[in-house]
Amino acid sequence: DQQVKQNSPSLSVQEGRISILNCDYTNSMFDYFLWYKKYPAEGPTFLISISSIKDKNEDGRFTVFLNKSAKHLSLHIVPSQPGDSAVYFCAARGNFNNAGNMLTFGGGTRLMVKP
Amino acid sequence: DGGITQSPKYLFRKEGQNVTLSCEQNLNHDAMYWYRQDPGQGLRLIYYSQIVNDFQKGDIAEGYSVSREKKESFPLTVTSAQKNPTAFYLCASIKDRGANYGYTFGSGTRLTVV
Repeated sequence: DQQVKQNSPSLSVQEGRISILNCDYTNSMFDYFLWYKKYPAEGPTFLISISSIKDKNEDGRFTVFLNKSAKHLSLHIVPSQPGDSAVYFCAARGNFNNAGNMLTFGGGTRLMVKP
Repeated sequence: DGGITQSPKYLFRKEGQNVTLSCEQNLNHDAMYWYRQDPGQGLRLIYYSQIVNDFQKGDIAEGYSVSREKKESFPLTVTSAQKNPTAFYLCASIKDRGANYGYTFGSGTRLTVV
């Protein structure tokens, strides 16, 4: 049973426009959410995060929105640049069952930004 | 510079062989994790360790084994019992429980069965 889902395997956006990547989760015990960016043959790198007590966090071109009632979060990239082309993973932290900082990852969305 | 080092970057294994993937960190992080990524799929947790000499199974631990004899090191052995070992393996670490930031990942090892 996937607790974190990214239903769009891929997304294509024109340079300069907004990219919106979506993520849904099922476990209401998750208390922290993160987005990672991954290039081929490399490890994921941390991009931005949000605590469950907030509904928005912004860092430059990247903004993450959290809708707890809908168990949904999204990552907005504005404006999109060709260098943003990568796979983006949504992750959720569940501080329960003695899990510590364990993260549950979604399946990823491949973003392609066209020049 | 601090970070996580995974080696080798590419590894080829014959059927029936055990292989060990190395993961070393100099970040003084307490917890370490092993994930597996298959093409078009997300990251699945194999094993994790929150302190030295202790580790726990993740979602797909069958056919794998780990050890945590030192804080800095968390090697993963892919045994012959793992029926489909070809994948990209990622090691990660984090400072301690309750830290509100994400993992630091290594650059990965691509394992191929030949």
